[in-house]
Amino acid sequence: NAGVTQTPKFQVLKTGQSMTLQCAQDMNHEYMSWYRQDPGMGLRLIHYSVGAGITDQGEVPNGYNVSRSTTEDFPLRLLSAAPSQTSVYFCASSYRAGAYEQYFGPGTRLTVT
Amino acid sequence: SQQGEEDPQALSIQEGENATMNCSYKTSINNLQWYRQNSGRGLVHLILIRSNEREKHSGRLRVTLDTSKKSSSLLITASRAADTASYFCATDGGGGNKLTFGTGTQLKVEL
Repeated sequence: NAGVTQTPKFQVLKTGQSMTLQCAQDMNHEYMSWYRQDPGMGLRLIHYSVGAGITDQGEVPNGYNVSRSTTEDFPLRLLSAAPSQTSVYFCASSYRAGAYEQYFGPGTRLTVT
Repeated sequence: SQQGEEDPQALSIQEGENATMNCSYKTSINNLQWYRQNSGRGLVHLILIRSNEREKHSGRLRVTLDTSKKSSSLLITASRAADTASYFCATDGGGGNKLTFGTGTQLKVEL
């Protein structure tokens, strides 16, 4: 199993550009989520999904969209990139929501200039 | 806002010593988890403790949970240089669907 994969590993965007961060898992997990990690802030939840076709907002959803058309994929879209979105983005999945360990991808380092 | 806050923010110890880090949280929980993050990598799950448990062990790790004080501690015994990493607690806020992470403790184990 590849686990949780994320692409790209690094990305530089100009302010106002849009892009999609890809996330896929091959463990048939119901629950998937996106976090951003900023220095000194820990991880903050952006969006999450408890199953295909179901998504919900986390702590910092503004400026991001998600969709979950399949169990395996959970892409994160930046609609109009801003310098405040410069961060490291992690995708994670778990068997279900609740008392289950989360498996994290390797992260995408995004810089917005 | 962060649900969990780790203490200390940074900890430096010698190999072979024990390392203790603490997590405090704000609202009731169903479970609390601890994760490790090596520099530049994704997080790795260490241990999960449920709200009705007081202590849990896994290898050199010992986690305690005090729901009356809304706090948890992670003890790493006989630390090794390979334990150098950031450690995060994460709580479910009682609702189960959202996992909220603390700001982390940076542990450095020196030879």
